[in-house]
Amino acid sequence: DIQMTQSPSSLSASVGDRVTITCRASQSITRYLNWYQQRPGRAPKLLIYTASSLQSGVPSRFSGSESGTDFTLTISSLQPEDFATYYCQQSYSIPLTFGGGTKVEMK
Amino acid sequence: QVQLVESGGGVVQPGGSLRLSCAASGFTFSSYPMHWVRQAPGKGLEWVAVISYDGSNEYYADSVKGRFTVSRDGSKNTLYLQMNSLRAEDTAVYFCAKDPKYSSSFAYYYMDVWGKGTTVTVSS
Repeated sequence: DIQMTQSPSSLSASVGDRVTITCRASQSITRYLNWYQQRPGRAPKLLIYTASSLQSGVPSRFSGSESGTDFTLTISSLQPEDFATYYCQQSYSIPLTFGGGTKVEMK
Repeated sequence: QVQLVESGGGVVQPGGSLRLSCAASGFTFSSYPMHWVRQAPGKGLEWVAVISYDGSNEYYADSVKGRFTVSRDGSKNTLYLQMNSLRAEDTAVYFCAKDPKYSSSFAYYYMDVWGKGTTVTVSS
């Protein structure tokens, strides 16, 4: 199984901050990496698919990038509604696997 | 609008069975693969199963293989998860989710629409 390692597991930030979350795959997954946002008590929401494609309706302050087996989710200017937990997920092979999550908290 | 509504969760004893349902609306249900994903209390997301758009292919996480069965009924626009031999570690919120791959034997294997989830508690 492909292991997905997210870092950090949590971070504190302020509105307007630039936030970066990293996800590392245990083997090559090419571009098959997706990012989700989950607010407390809510279902996950797709933000980015295939490493850097922005899902329809998602604000442009969210972006994704890749470098080998390392993937990055960037929030260019953190907004109040962005305080949530973020998960990466590989769609390269079955079983599909998620990272452990990164909780973005208010500083 | 596109909507997924799960139901069927509840409290069940270890070794028991439960069938979850997911009612789909707002899209052509029979044209898209569908997933089940779960989340144990206070934990992260765990993929459970996927079924192809026509029900001809299914894949499972090792943790549920042989105990859970995913199925779908296009006439009812409903996805199912039959869960047998339940264990305490199956306690979780179960989400159904739509895959964006249209009418193909393959899926994209990510989830673009999610339901709100239904809670399963396995406890004596």
